[in-house]
Amino acid sequence: SQELEQSPQSLIVQEGKNLTINCTSSKTLYGLYWYKQKYGEGLIFLMMLQKGGEEKSHEKITAKLDEKKQQSSLHITASQPSHAGIYLCGADKAAGNKLTFGGGTRVLVKP
Amino acid sequence: GAVVSQHPSRVICKSGTSVKIECRSLDFQATTMFWYRQFPKQSLMLMATSNEGSKATYEQGVEKDKFLINHASLTLSTLTVTSAHPEDSSFYICSVPSGGGTFYNEQFFGPGTRLTVL
Repeated sequence: SQELEQSPQSLIVQEGKNLTINCTSSKTLYGLYWYKQKYGEGLIFLMMLQKGGEEKSHEKITAKLDEKKQQSSLHITASQPSHAGIYLCGADKAAGNKLTFGGGTRVLVKP
Repeated sequence: GAVVSQHPSRVICKSGTSVKIECRSLDFQATTMFWYRQFPKQSLMLMATSNEGSKATYEQGVEKDKFLINHASLTLSTLTVTSAHPEDSSFYICSVPSGGGTFYNEQFFGPGTRLTVL
């Protein structure tokens, strides 16, 4: 099975500061998804990466996939309280959109 | 983005009863839907793949007779937890891939159903 490790497990940042979350796979990632979840709620799709070296941005969030397609990072610039939540990376399980998820990173933004 | 609904959002039941959870794709038809389970403070774990017109496929360790899946139409999949026990208490989330289930498509998740078995 494809293991996904996220780091850190949790972090607290001051509002306005940047933060980075990493997602590392033991195998080549064929499709990498980033989601945000508030506790007890569904997942909000953030980004999907497929190609080595790919980088995508939306508003203040940037996600990258390394050339080897085994590591991805999610970077939030000038964090705001609205960025608080649990961030999950998910990898396509080799075929057909079955996703394996990392353990999640709990983000708290202090005003 | 596509909208996926789940019903109910929250259910409490007695041990031994069965509970049905619905997942609906409101924006497009889906031949494939996925069911995940999330225990408190843990990540999502894929339970099964719901296939329209054929049997669901279950992940290793998931009892197919306990978690009955019916893909009734191209927009509806149901998960029935039979003879529920307290250890089945969890957050159940469905997802719908765009693009008809081909590779690397965006996946849309429902809002989840929190099941509590007393």
